Amino acid sequence: AQSVTQPDIHITVSEGASLELRCNYSYGATPYLFWYVQSPGQGLQLLLKYFSGDTLVQGIKGFEAEFKRSQSSFNLRKPSVHWSDAAEYFCAEKAAGNKLTFGGGTRVLVKP
Amino acid sequence: GAVVSQHPSWVICKSGTSVKIECRSLDFQATTMFWYRQFPKQSLMLMATSNEGSKATYEQGVEKDKFLINHASLTLSTLTVTSAHPEDSSFYICSAFGQGKGGMNTEAFFGQGTRLTVV
Repeated sequence: AQSVTQPDIHITVSEGASLELRCNYSYGATPYLFWYVQSPGQGLQLLLKYFSGDTLVQGIKGFEAEFKRSQSSFNLRKPSVHWSDAAEYFCAEKAAGNKLTFGGGTRVLVKP
Repeated sequence: GAVVSQHPSWVICKSGTSVKIECRSLDFQATTMFWYRQFPKQSLMLMATSNEGSKATYEQGVEKDKFLINHASLTLSTLTVTSAHPEDSSFYICSAFGQGKGGMNTEAFFGQGTRLTVV
């Protein structure tokens, strides 16, 4: 069965420091992968997506992610976090029928 | 990008009553929409796939008679929580695949979510 794993339940990072969120997927030779961000009580906003092509994907808000097939990973990074980046982050993979399988999420806390 | 609007954003209802949540695709047609449920500090769990003009497809363990889904048009899907009980209190989110920058059906757009509290 398809699964998406986010090993880190929560991460605390200082403002201005770099951030990396891990994601591993288990389905498909050509996965469709997404990273979403969710602020409390809100819906999900797409940060970036990968379908094919360049394995380093640029997204909004200064985020990027790198697809590594050999490691079945799609880790999200940001060089310098801002206090407004504190939120919940979800990695997801598209399966048949456009269904999305979500990872468990990683809560990011930003210290001043 | 495409926009999905969900209404209401929050609702409080009495135990035993029914609540309807609407999900609209504002600038694109969605033959398929998805309903998710999210418990506090947890991930999203797919409840059902809403298909325009046909019956919804429910995930295992989701009660069809409790969560009624209607997808009567290409831009509207509704989720009705029937005979609601406190354990139905949750955050419900809908989504639809639409045209993103990569072309048709390449991106899932999400509604703002509905916080349901059953008292």
